[in-house]
Formats: sequence, C-alpha cells, structure tokens
Amino acid sequence: EDQVTQSPEALRLQEGESSSLNCSYTVSGLRGLFWYRQDPGKGPEFLFTLYSAGEEKEKERLKATLTKKESFLHITAPKPEDSATYLCAVQGPGDYKLSFGAGTTVTVRA
Amino acid sequence: DSGVTQTPKHLITATGQRVTLRCSPRSGDLSVYWYQQSLDQGLQFLIQYYNGEERAKGNILERFSAQQFPDLHSELNLSSLELGDSALYFCASSVRGGTGSYNEQFFGPGTRLTVL
Repeated sequence: EDQVTQSPEALRLQEGESSSLNCSYTVSGLRGLFWYRQDPGKGPEFLFTLYSAGEEKEKERLKATLTKKESFLHITAPKPEDSATYLCAVQGPGDYKLSFGAGTTVTVRA
Repeated sequence: DSGVTQTPKHLITATGQRVTLRCSPRSGDLSVYWYQQSLDQGLQFLIQYYNGEERAKGNILERFSAQQFPDLHSELNLSSLELGDSALYFCASSVRGGTGSYNEQFFGPGTRLTVL
C-alpha cells in the first residue's frame, strides 16, 4: 500500500524566513507526486506535479523537487498569505487515486 | 476557483438518515473522484468514476454508494449515517482516468457533513 509521510507537522516562520517541507513516500512505481495547498475549510488547491527523480517545478515563492524516496517543497521568503496546510500525494502504477500525507501546516508571521 | 462545483456546502442531519452529495466536474473532465477528510484520518480516497463507469474503489463503506450520470455530474449517497461519518467530503475531477500528463486532480470546495 502506498505510504506518504510529511514532516514537520507544523511550521511557524517569520515573514522572509525561507524553509523546506519534506514528503517521504513508499510506492511501487511512482506515476506522479502532487503538491496541494489547503486553506481551512476549503478544497485542496493544485500546485505541482512531479514525475521523475531530479525534476523541479517553481511557482512564485514555491519550488518543489523530487528524489526517488522523497520530495521537498521549498518556500522562499514567505509572506503571511503563504500560511496554509501543504499536502503531498502520490499516485502509483495502474492507480488513479491519490494517497495523501497528513500535511504540514505552515504559519507565516508578519 | 477550480471549476469543480459541489452542493450543498453544509449538511446537518441525524443518525440513521440518508443524504446525497452532488458534484459537477470541470468542463471537459471525464473522471470524478470522491474523498473524505476527517481530523483523525486525513484525506482518504473513496471512489472514482470515469465517463459513467466505476473505475476504482478505496475504503468506501457499504453504506456509501456513488454514480456518475451521462452529463458527467456525480452523486455520493450516504445512508444509515453514524456520528463518525461527520467529515468534509470532496469531489475532484481530472481530464482522463489519471494517465499521462493529465494526471492532475482539481478539487471542489467540499461539503461539510455533520451527523448529530
């Protein structure tokens, strides 16, 4: 069964203080690794898809990277509006469902 | 706005009752997925439909069922409700069944179900 572990559970940052979130996964043949952002009471918002080790994707202050065992979401010079829960999910071979980690809740203080 | 719509936003009901949650996928998307999010379990996959047919099942209870209609909207039916069914229920859609470069699933705003 696909397993996804995210760390840390919570992260408190000062505005401008860069940091990284970790997503470790176990899946027999990764089809894709996905990052989502979720605000309280809202649906997850798609951020990135990564398909193979070494791949990187960027969007504004966010950069996602992928290795064979984990993915990192780097937040550069965060702003208060980056406060949210960041979810990582994997999709295995022949598998359409997403298996999600528990998420990392990021709080950015002004 | 992802383009996925869900109704109702909130639903409060009693134990033993039955409810129906509705989802309209993004225009052009053929796949619909249902997920349950509770505080202790996180986001859990329930079931997927592709172009009207059931494609994959997760840990969906026998009391729960779903269908996708010819216009591609989907309904999730929850019956004999228990207190533990209280959760956020999300619908997501994708262009295909999940293959190729169109893997991305886009989520709706969710339905918050409270069972009293």
